[in-house]
Amino acid sequence: DAKTTQPPSMDCAEGRAANLPCNHSTISGNEYVYWYRQIHSQGPQYIIHGLKNNETNEMASLIITEDRKSSTLILPHATLRDTAVYYCIVRVRTSGTYKYIFGTGTRLKVLA
Amino acid sequence: DGGITQSPKYLFRKEGQNVTLSCEQNLNHDAMYWYRQDPGQGLRLIYYSQIVNDFQKGDIAEGYSVSREKKESFPLTVTSAQKNPTAFYLCASSYPPWTGRDEAFFGQGTRLTVV
Repeated sequence: DAKTTQPPSMDCAEGRAANLPCNHSTISGNEYVYWYRQIHSQGPQYIIHGLKNNETNEMASLIITEDRKSSTLILPHATLRDTAVYYCIVRVRTSGTYKYIFGTGTRLKVLA
Repeated sequence: DGGITQSPKYLFRKEGQNVTLSCEQNLNHDAMYWYRQDPGQGLRLIYYSQIVNDFQKGDIAEGYSVSREKKESFPLTVTSAQKNPTAFYLCASSYPPWTGRDEAFFGQGTRLTVV
């Protein structure tokens, strides 16, 4: 299964853009990249996903490189409430359904 | 409101006892999942189920068992064979691939402590 690699931690000043990188060099052509975040001791919250095109929604933007081996999640104006662990995930099709393969995540701390 | 509910939030058990964690969803999702999270770690897949009466082992299924008798419910039993059962357990559900609905929804987790 494809694996993801993320830096363990990052800091970002409040109001600035937070750019969270992810490497997924073994990803297959039909496997999507997902981003979730987890605030302490809660269930992960969906942020955004993409296959090969850049994506944007009300929460974030996702930039995927042309070779699909890496991606970057962008929180355009980080707030203190964005402090969380961010997971870059590969969704793998298997046995008629999906598996979501989690990495170890990046702990983002937004500083006042 | 539709959602996925895990109960209880905190659970304490003595070593050697089996314990069952509940996961219920009213989202009409076919697929359901169980993950385990250890402190400072990512989520690891225990079991998943595509449809009623069918389930597959994930990456760390040893010492766990599941059932899927109803679409809404996917209970996880942590057996005495699980060497390190103390962890945070997360349940998730999603639509099947052919619906084009993409994201998985997670419950709020059950923190199991075995003493």
